[in-house]
Order: sequence, then C-alpha cells, then structure tokens
Amino acid sequence: DQQVKQNSPSLSVQEGRISILNCDYTNSMFDYFLWYKKYPAEGPTFLISISSIKDKNEDGRFTVFLNKSAKHLSLHIVPSQPGDSAVYFCAASRSGYALNFGKGTSLLVTP
Amino acid sequence: EAQVTQNPRYLITVTGKKLTVTCSQNMNHEYMSWYRQDPGLGLRQIYYSMNVEVTDKGDVPEGYKVSRKEKRNFPLILESPSPNQTSLYFCASGRLFAGELFFGEGSRLTVL
Repeated sequence: DQQVKQNSPSLSVQEGRISILNCDYTNSMFDYFLWYKKYPAEGPTFLISISSIKDKNEDGRFTVFLNKSAKHLSLHIVPSQPGDSAVYFCAASRSGYALNFGKGTSLLVTP
Repeated sequence: EAQVTQNPRYLITVTGKKLTVTCSQNMNHEYMSWYRQDPGLGLRQIYYSMNVEVTDKGDVPEGYKVSRKEKRNFPLILESPSPNQTSLYFCASGRLFAGELFFGEGSRLTVL
C-alpha cells in the first residue's frame, strides 16, 4: 500500500511563476520528509528536507511546508526556471529508516 | 569525489541468465539500498542493508538477492532474470538514521 502519494503525475508552469508540488502521506510515524529531483538518465538528487518538528524549511528558491495534522507536505519553487523541469519525488522516513517514495510529479517549466 | 557507482549502466540479457549489478560507494555509509523505477510506479525499494552482513527485504524483493560483505559494496543479484524485471535500477547509500540518500546514476536492465 502506497504510504506516500503524489496525486499529480505532471505539472506545467510558466517561467517566473511559482511551482507547487504536493505530497500526502498516511503513516503518522513518519518524522522526516525529503524532496528529490530527477533528470532523465540520472539518479535522483537530494533537494530539500524537513523534520517533523518544523513546519517550514527554506533553501534559496525552494521551500518545503509540512502540515502534520493533514499529513501533507508541499514544495514551492519561486521563481520557477526552465532548468527546474524534472521529475520530483517526495519521500518520507521513520527514525531514519528506509525511505518511502511517492510516484513522482513531472514538472515542466515553459519559457 | 563522493559518489555511488553502479555497473553496468545498460544491459540486455535473456531470461534465466544470472546477472549481477554492482554498487560501490566511497562515503563510508552504513546504509545502502536498491530501488527499481518503473513507469507510473515511482521508486520501489528492493532490498536494503544497515551494515555489513545485515540485509533486509524492501517492498519488492521477489527474484532478487543481495549481499553486503564489505561496507562499500552492495551487489544486486538476479539469479534467474525474467522479463518483468526489465526496469531501471538505482543503488543508494546514506548515513544510518540520517534520512538523506545519495543515488547512483542508474542501471537500465532489459530481460528478453
């Protein structure tokens, strides 16, 4: 059973606008959440993470928001750039154990 | 340079012919894992290892074996490959309980 869900398989955003990628999880024991970015023919690379004791974490253009009561997190990219076009995977873990990944959202940023 | 190295990157084989995909990391990570990526299914964990000689099944272990005799290496073994194991495979490593994983570049396997 999928414990981490990314319900939007794809998203298209204009350059300069905000991209919002969403992720839901079902296991309330998850305490660490991550976003990975994947380009074609490459392995996923770590983008940003958040611990369950926080509700927001920023790194440059990327911000992750965590709503524990709703079991929901989101990744905001502002402003979006064409180089951000990739597949984004949401992942969650409990006490640092095995990461559970969502199915990914393919982001396309158009000029 | 810190990296996770997988070999081969591409392989076409036939049903039943045993093969091994090697994975090596140079970051002294305790934790290593194998994932497969399939269209519409995302990344699914096959096996993981928390240290030398300690391995455990992930979500889709059927048809695969692993071993962890050395800290840096974590090979994935397909004893008798079948067409449903055609996939893109990723090896990953990380510090134990740290959450973040570092991924290799992937191995695309086709079983005819």
